[in-house]
Amino acid sequence: DVKVTQSSRYLVKRTGEKVFLECVQDMDHENMFWYRQDPGLGLRLIYFSYDVKMKEKGDIPEGYSVSREKKERFSLILESASTNQTSMYLCASSPRSGWEPQHFGDGTRLSIL
Amino acid sequence: RKEVEQDPGPFNVPEGATVAFNCTYSNSASQSFFWYRQDCRKEPKLLMSVYSSGNEDGRFTAQLNRASQYISLLIRDSKLSDSATYLCVASGYSTLTFGKGTMLLVSP
Repeated sequence: DVKVTQSSRYLVKRTGEKVFLECVQDMDHENMFWYRQDPGLGLRLIYFSYDVKMKEKGDIPEGYSVSREKKERFSLILESASTNQTSMYLCASSPRSGWEPQHFGDGTRLSIL
Repeated sequence: RKEVEQDPGPFNVPEGATVAFNCTYSNSASQSFFWYRQDCRKEPKLLMSVYSSGNEDGRFTAQLNRASQYISLLIRDSKLSDSATYLCVASGYSTLTFGKGTMLLVSP
C-alpha cells in the first residue's frame, strides 16, 4: 500500500511565523502535490512537483513556497503565516503520469492565531 | 478554467436505497476519471477509476459519457457506512481536477 505521511495532524502557529509542513511518501512516486481544503471550496492545488528540485505553481500559490530536495519528501512553507491560511492541508503523491490517481496523506489541520 | 462540477447535496437516503450522483467536466481532453470518498475530517481515498465501458465494484457502478462529458456513480443497497462525501475527478492538462464533492447521508 502507498503510504504518504504528513509530519503533524494538528498544528497551531502565530501570525507572522514561518511554518513548515512536511510530507514523505514511500512508493518512489515522481509526482507530489500540496492542497488546502476549506468548507465549500473543495480541494485547491497550491503547488506540485514532478521531480526533485522541480516545482510548479497550482491555483493558489500566493503566500506559499515549496521544497523538494529528495524524491520522497515535499515540504510546504508558509513564509509569513496569516490567519487566512488556517486550513486543512493535504499532501498527495502519484506515479509518473499526471493522470494517475493520487494518494493522500492524513492531512494537517493548521490554525494560525 | 477547466472545472469539475458536482451537486453538493446532501443526498439523504434510507438504508437499502439506491442513489446516483452525476458530475460534469469541462475539459474535453480529459483522459482519466475517478471517484474518491472522503469521510468527515479525513483525507480523500480512491474509491474507483471510471472507464469508458463502465465498471462495477460490488455495490458501486461508475459510468462515463464522453459525448456529454459527465461521469456517474451508482450505489446500490446503501449502508450506513456509505455516508461520506464523494469527489468526482477528471484529469487536466498536467494534473487532476477535483470536484467539490457530493455529500451522502444514509439513515437507519
